[in-house]
Amino acid sequence: DIVMTQSPDSLAVSLGERATINCKSSQSVLYTSNNKNYLAWYQQKPGQPPKLLIYWASSRESGVPDRFSGSGSGTDFTLTISSLQAEDVAVYYCHQYYSSPPYTFGQGTKLEIK
Amino acid sequence: QVQLVESGGGVVQPGRSLRLSCTASGFTFSRYDMHWVRQAPGKGLEWVAVVSYDGSHEHYADSVKGRFTISRDNSKNMLYLQMNSLRAEDTAVYYCARGHEVGTTLHDGLDIWGQGTTVTVSS
Repeated sequence: DIVMTQSPDSLAVSLGERATINCKSSQSVLYTSNNKNYLAWYQQKPGQPPKLLIYWASSRESGVPDRFSGSGSGTDFTLTISSLQAEDVAVYYCHQYYSSPPYTFGQGTKLEIK
Repeated sequence: QVQLVESGGGVVQPGRSLRLSCTASGFTFSRYDMHWVRQAPGKGLEWVAVVSYDGSHEHYADSVKGRFTISRDNSKNMLYLQMNSLRAEDTAVYYCARGHEVGTTLHDGLDIWGQGTTVTVSS
């Protein structure tokens, strides 16, 4: 099974500053036939279900603010929030859905305001 | 509007069974793979199972394989999770989520989630 490891486990960033969350997979999630990385990012606020932010590692979901961006390929990925807003406080998860299941999530990164 | 609503959660003794349901509305249910994802109290997300759009394929996490069964009824826009031989470690909020649309190359990921239903396994 593919293991997803996020870093850091928690992060405190000042309002307006950049937040960066990393995700590493134990094997590549790049499907070479279509050059797509089967990696998504989700945001979860307390008491709410997760919300899809990014799919295919860098495609922003409709309605997601453009301060959220995803990058990376193969085994190393990054979620960047370019200018942190108060409403971005949440736990963020990466998720691989490459090839055959099981599909696995990272352990989560808790983002707070400094 | 596009919506998923889970039901069927509750308190159950170890070793017993429970069936969760997920009612879909606002989209063509039969075109999408569907997933169950769970979250134990204070913990992260754990992917549980997926069923293909037509119900012909199922896959499970190792932690539930042989005990849980995912199924769907496209005529009723319903997704199910039959949970047998429940253990304390199955205690969690269970979410259903919409996955890949058959035949599309334009979008992916789990884009619609229900609010979840809580399962507590305790004697």
